[in-house]
Amino acid sequence: KQEVTQIPAALSVPEGENLVLNCSFTDSAIYNLQWFRQDPGKGLTSLLLIQSSQREQTSGRLNASLDKSSGRSTLYIAASQPGDSATYLCAVKDDYKLSFGAGTTVTVRA
Amino acid sequence: DAEITQSPRHKITETGRQVTLACHQTWNHNNMFWYRQDLGHGLRLIHYSYGVQDTNKGEVSDGYSVSRSNTEDLPLTLESAASSQTSVYFCASSESRRGQETQYFGPGTRLLVL
Repeated sequence: KQEVTQIPAALSVPEGENLVLNCSFTDSAIYNLQWFRQDPGKGLTSLLLIQSSQREQTSGRLNASLDKSSGRSTLYIAASQPGDSATYLCAVKDDYKLSFGAGTTVTVRA
Repeated sequence: DAEITQSPRHKITETGRQVTLACHQTWNHNNMFWYRQDLGHGLRLIHYSYGVQDTNKGEVSDGYSVSRSNTEDLPLTLESAASSQTSVYFCASSESRRGQETQYFGPGTRLLVL
């Protein structure tokens, strides 16, 4: 069974600092990995999707890397802003479903 | 703009009652999913569908059912609500094409079973 772990569970940084969020998974036989953002009381918003054949994806200040062989992905958020405060979840897709991590809750202090 | 909506957004019901949660998407996606989100368990897949008349069980499907009669809708039914089904329920949809599997989520339904 796929297990997805996100460390740390919570993170607090001053505005302007770069954020590094980690995700690890136990079974490397994945199709893709997706990073989501969830604001309190809201649904999930997709940030980036990385195919299993890719090493990284970028969108604006966000960059996600994938090392499938070691079962790791990292989400980098450059020059953090208070509006980046949210919970970030990673999810890996195997043959039919997404398996989610518990998330990292980020607070960016102004 | 295309979107995915859920109704109701909040629901209180009693143990033993049948409850149906609605999910409607205008993305014209073939794939639709139902998840529940609980503290300590994260998001878990309940049921999913890859197209009209297709439904499949996820990892926590006991006590739930779905039907897919058109592309846009995948209602989730709790046959006889139990307190353990108190949760936040999310519907999601995605395309089938490889490279386009991004899942788009609805705003969620908060269900309380008393």
